[in-house]
Amino acid sequence: SYELTQPPSLSVSPGQTASVTCSGDKLGKKYVSWCQQRPGQPPVLVIYHDKKRPSGIPERFSGSNSGNTATLTISGTQAMDEADYYCQAWDNNTAVFGTGTKVTVL
Amino acid sequence: QVQLQESGPGLVKASQTLSLTCSVSGGSITSYNHYWSWIRQPAGKGLEWIGRVYSSGSTDYNPSLKSRVSISVDSSNNQFSLKLKSVTAADTAMYFCARDTPMIGDAFDIWGQGTMVTVSS
Repeated sequence: SYELTQPPSLSVSPGQTASVTCSGDKLGKKYVSWCQQRPGQPPVLVIYHDKKRPSGIPERFSGSNSGNTATLTISGTQAMDEADYYCQAWDNNTAVFGTGTKVTVL
Repeated sequence: QVQLQESGPGLVKASQTLSLTCSVSGGSITSYNHYWSWIRQPAGKGLEWIGRVYSSGSTDYNPSLKSRVSISVDSSNNQFSLKLKSVTAADTAMYFCARDTPMIGDAFDIWGQGTMVTVSS
């Protein structure tokens, strides 16, 4: 089965840039989306089609996808961005989520 | 604004069938080109996609759960439902319903608040 691997955790200082990676075989040939999940809340879509932002998502969230790796970048990270982040892609009509990355803003 | 709300028993006995319903409000479950999915998350763990249904009734399931899962749509009540049979403690999780939209790469753009299901022995 298809797998998406993310680093378990990442720490970033306020105002700095956080980059969350997501690795999978030939991932660049698939569309990747990213969701943010704060504690006790349902996930919220922050990136779709590799790099597009839904309405209401701040411009500091951006994405890219090439080769075997997709990346979610949070520029000028704020305290409110502290959350778990999951990448997601489809393989053979099956949705696959990444293992998740906990982003801590110190 | 479309909203989703899960409902169903919070406690299910092992070996029995888990049944949940997701009510769609703010729009018709049949009026747009969307799929309707179930996703679960054990406490402290990641997200696992269970399966999805289209308004026509066609379905896709996670191969790891396919033998135990059934998802159906009830257009008259603007709902879709999940049935997971022969449950064990490993099925204890928060269960979310979500909408995925092909126009945006089948991303999950709307989620319910989730409902916690515990499987008891």
